[in-house]
Amino acid sequence: DGGITQSPKYLFRKEGQNVTLSCEQNLNHDAMYWYRQDPGQGLRLIYYSQIVNDFQKGDIAEGYSVSREKKESFPLTVTSAQKNPTAFYLCATQLRGATNEKLFFGSGTQLSVL
Amino acid sequence: AQTVTQSQPEMSVQEAETVTLSCTYDTSESDYYLFWYKQPPSRQMILVIRQEAYKQQNATENRFSVNFQKAAKSFSLKISDSQLGDAAMYFCAYTSNYGQNFVFGPGTRLSVLP
Repeated sequence: DGGITQSPKYLFRKEGQNVTLSCEQNLNHDAMYWYRQDPGQGLRLIYYSQIVNDFQKGDIAEGYSVSREKKESFPLTVTSAQKNPTAFYLCATQLRGATNEKLFFGSGTQLSVL
Repeated sequence: AQTVTQSQPEMSVQEAETVTLSCTYDTSESDYYLFWYKQPPSRQMILVIRQEAYKQQNATENRFSVNFQKAAKSFSLKISDSQLGDAAMYFCAYTSNYGQNFVFGPGTRLSVLP
């Protein structure tokens, strides 16, 4: 069954703690993205990756880090430097080089601070 | 930088009636893609409709259609025969021809009244 799997669905972070959000895809898509969504707001880009071992900062990368060691995986780490991490995080993929440029989304992870 | 504006934070429509959601964008590029995404209470992002800027014909998908005015940089979504399941947040999004970054509007929350 093809798709994008984000885990966990809910995550709680303590002060000073780093947490990692998982995003796995079996769509064989090249590009992967992380977006942050705050209540009542649109999506803001954190990081994106076009190919393995390469990624670029988005508009709000401070306090976050990523890796892209495999095509299927693009984990996002929320570091202790991110002072306001409570938000809904969405992972998305995109098939590069296709005429259809739409994004495919995972089901999201809600991160809250304890 | 490209921006996307949705001037209606909330809208409501009577079941079976028609509603139009507004979106304007700002870009200096001539070739790009525009999208409407729907986010129901489950928070899963669902593609509603897609428009390629070089195509003058307005896109349609069943009860959903757009009014694309390239010169005015306007991209409105019309929902005909509204159903209770159409209640959701609707996001307008833009991406350039290279599709390296999507810019999302702040969203319009649509309520459908029985």
